[in-house]
Amino acid sequence: DAKTTQPNSMESNEEEPVHLPCNHSTISGTDYIHWYRQLPSQGPEYVIHGLTSNVNNRMASLAIAEDRKSSTLILHRATLRDAAVYYCILSTGGGNKLTFGTGTQLKVEL
Amino acid sequence: EAGVTQFPSHSVIEKGQTVTLRCDPISGHDNLYWYRRVMGKEIKFLLHFVKESKQDESGMPNNRFLAERTGGTYSTLKVQPAELEDSGVYFCASSQITGWNYGYTFGSGTRLTVV
Repeated sequence: DAKTTQPNSMESNEEEPVHLPCNHSTISGTDYIHWYRQLPSQGPEYVIHGLTSNVNNRMASLAIAEDRKSSTLILHRATLRDAAVYYCILSTGGGNKLTFGTGTQLKVEL
Repeated sequence: EAGVTQFPSHSVIEKGQTVTLRCDPISGHDNLYWYRRVMGKEIKFLLHFVKESKQDESGMPNNRFLAERTGGTYSTLKVQPAELEDSGVYFCASSQITGWNYGYTFGSGTRLTVV
């Protein structure tokens, strides 16, 4: 499976933007980039996904590098409820299973 | 709409016993997935149903695990006999459409402890 690399942890202050990076240098042309997050004691939650163009939804924005070898999840105004582990996941070969890595633990402080 | 529901939320059983986990997907979602996280490890895929058929069961660890989805609605995951290394959190997810263009909805998981 295509591999992603994320920092183990990041910190942010409440009300500030957060940029969560992800490297995926082995991405293939048909792989989608997905982001999920997992809050404490809950299952993973879908955040956003994209292929080539930047994407926006009510939760976040996804900025994809032109060569697609990296992407950034942007939370425009972090809140305490955004403290979670964020996973950057690539689809592989059109399959239907998610391959989770270790993710980035986001800490949000007042 | 109701989300993905998993029962029970917690289960503690003795080694050698049998446990059955249940997942109710979002109504109308043909795709149902099981994942699990064992202690200290990453979340791993177990299997994928499309309606009542097993589409991919490549992640099932061994033959002590049996998943069913009779009628294409809810699914059960039975562990028989349970071993200590089966302890972890078991997640179920569902999606309406097959393929990578759509997100999955996960349940809150069943925490299984084998003692």
